[in-house]
Parts: sequence; structure tokens; C-alpha cells
Amino acid sequence: ETGVTQSPTHLIKTRGQQVTLRCSSQSGHNTVSWYQQALGQGPQFIFQYYREEENGRGNFPPRFSGLQFPNYSSELNVNALELDDSALYLCASSLGVGDEKLFFGSGTQLSVL
Amino acid sequence: GESVGLHLPTLSVQEGDNSIINCAYSNSASDYFIWYKQESGKGPQFIIDIRSNMDKRQGQRVTVLLNKTVKHLSLQIAATQPGDSAVYFCAERDSGTYKYIFGTGTRLKVLA
Repeated sequence: ETGVTQSPTHLIKTRGQQVTLRCSSQSGHNTVSWYQQALGQGPQFIFQYYREEENGRGNFPPRFSGLQFPNYSSELNVNALELDDSALYLCASSLGVGDEKLFFGSGTQLSVL
Repeated sequence: GESVGLHLPTLSVQEGDNSIINCAYSNSASDYFIWYKQESGKGPQFIIDIRSNMDKRQGQRVTVLLNKTVKHLSLQIAATQPGDSAVYFCAERDSGTYKYIFGTGTRLKVLA
């Protein structure tokens, strides 16, 4: 186990709705990254948070947003859900921005109908 | 462009044989590489890593080889076991942005 926990494990939404996914990082880790993994694909970087500030973003539209809290836990929010948003959303924590090793949670499987 | 690709989407090996999973990367600015193993319903699990100033690193039953000249990475698994069955991803980290780019993955099937 990596010590990174995500909730919920599964979620079903309809197109146009909004969703919030949650992540608790490993103890002592101040950096959290979010990834989207479509079926049969590798994880795609969404964004990273370091000490409550966004620190890098991938090629995702603004309707993907996030937060990091003082205890370094994090949320991923997706507005105006589209069918293509159906994927496994992974959270990864690391000791710091420059620390190499990412420790992943088990993910939240989001289905958009 | 940004891409990390794999040559073989599915690899089947006999139990006890050695496995070699290959990966090509395209970003010359990548300074660090990781191999992850992902089992069904789980998040990626760290296997082994290598920095760009190295060309080989060994772990327990696993070896990673890095050839920067041709931008190629490989993962060797010795004496492959049924528990090694999973999807394997290589990932490269950009030295400027610290952004990780993952490949599509290779499914390793271990035959009894």
C-alpha cells in the first residue's frame, strides 16, 4: 500500500453534471498530482499542487480544477461533464516538487452517461 | 511532440523465462525515468527508476536499461512469475517542468 487514499472508488454521473474527487496524500508528502487514465491508455497529467498552489498543468480545459488543503489533501473538480471524461482518475503524492517518486492511489473510476 | 510509446502492446512469456519490455521516449529534456506496474483495479505501483546520468540499474529480479542515444528504455524481469502479470508503463520526467509523461503500456501475460 502506498498510503495514498482516494474517494470515492466508483462514481456514475450524467453529462453536464459536476463532480468532486478526493485524495489524501501519504504522510509527509506536500505535493499532489492528478492524472486521468482512459481505458487502455497510460495516465495523462492533469495538474500538480504544491503547498496549496497549482504548480504545473497538462493539456486539460479550465473546467478541470483543483484544490489542495493545509493538510496536503486535495480535490479534483470537473464541471460540465462530458462523455469523454469517463476514465480512472489517479492521485499521486510525492515528498516535494522535485522529488522523483510518485506514489499513486487506487483511483476513482468515473463513468459519465 | 510529447510522447512515450511502447513497441509491444502485449507480451506473453512462460513462467520462469525472462521478460523484456521496451519503451521509446521523445523528450531530450527528460532526466528521470520510472517503470510502473499496474494490476487490474489498482493504481500504478513503482518498480524501478533510473536517472539520465546512468545507463543501467538493477533491483530485485528487475533491471532497467537506458540508451539515451536512441531514446530507448527497457525493463527486464528475471524468472517471470504469475504475479508479474500486469500492465507495465514507462514514464519520463521533464527536467524543467517536472511533468511526467506515461506511455500507453504493455500487458505482460505469464503462461503457466
